[in-house]
Amino acid sequence: DAGVTQSPTHLIKTRGQQVTLRCSPKSGHDTVSWYQQALGQGPQFIFQYYEEEERQRGNFPDRFSGHQFPNYSSELNVNALLLGDSALYLCASSGVAEYQETQYFGPGTRLLVL
Amino acid sequence: QKEVEQNSGPLSVPEGAIASLNCTYSDRGSQSFFWYRQYSGKSPELIMSIYSNGDKEDGRFTAQLNKASQYVSLLIRDSQPSDSATYLCAVKRLIPNEKLTFGTGTRLTIIP
Repeated sequence: DAGVTQSPTHLIKTRGQQVTLRCSPKSGHDTVSWYQQALGQGPQFIFQYYEEEERQRGNFPDRFSGHQFPNYSSELNVNALLLGDSALYLCASSGVAEYQETQYFGPGTRLLVL
Repeated sequence: QKEVEQNSGPLSVPEGAIASLNCTYSDRGSQSFFWYRQYSGKSPELIMSIYSNGDKEDGRFTAQLNKASQYVSLLIRDSQPSDSATYLCAVKRLIPNEKLTFGTGTRLTIIP
């Protein structure tokens, strides 16, 4: 049973560039949530996708956008990168039909903006 | 006031002793509570979930929940060096498609 997968594992970009991160949920899950984790902090919720729609959004600017595909996989796009966007980006999958909709995390993508 | 508060640590515990990690939350609508373990440079790994007041045991781990006091804790018995990690407390409302709200984590070090 494949768990949550993310790609790439590491990424280096320069300020002003754009980046796309990818996530495939755990088998049987239909919901993908994205979190940003800065060094020494807990993960911060960016947004959640279910049925190919953004269902909830955290306090992140419009530079952060996403998409969910019919196979439940998801992308996170960040435009006009800032130094402060350097962080570990985590994807979590859950099943809306599962009890308590427990979220399981992928390995993360570490983004460094220079 | 932060929504979820944890002592950042570091918390140092001798090998074989009991490690006690605490978490308080401010949203009384929170119904689901989770403990994730995060090794340095890795992603969070779910180790315990609890939804009802009282204790829930799983192996060496016991989660305790007191909704009236808005307090959740994690006890690790017979601590091992492999338990050295950051422990994240997360809470969630019981509504569909709800986000997790995390504390900043407690760094635990088990001393051999």
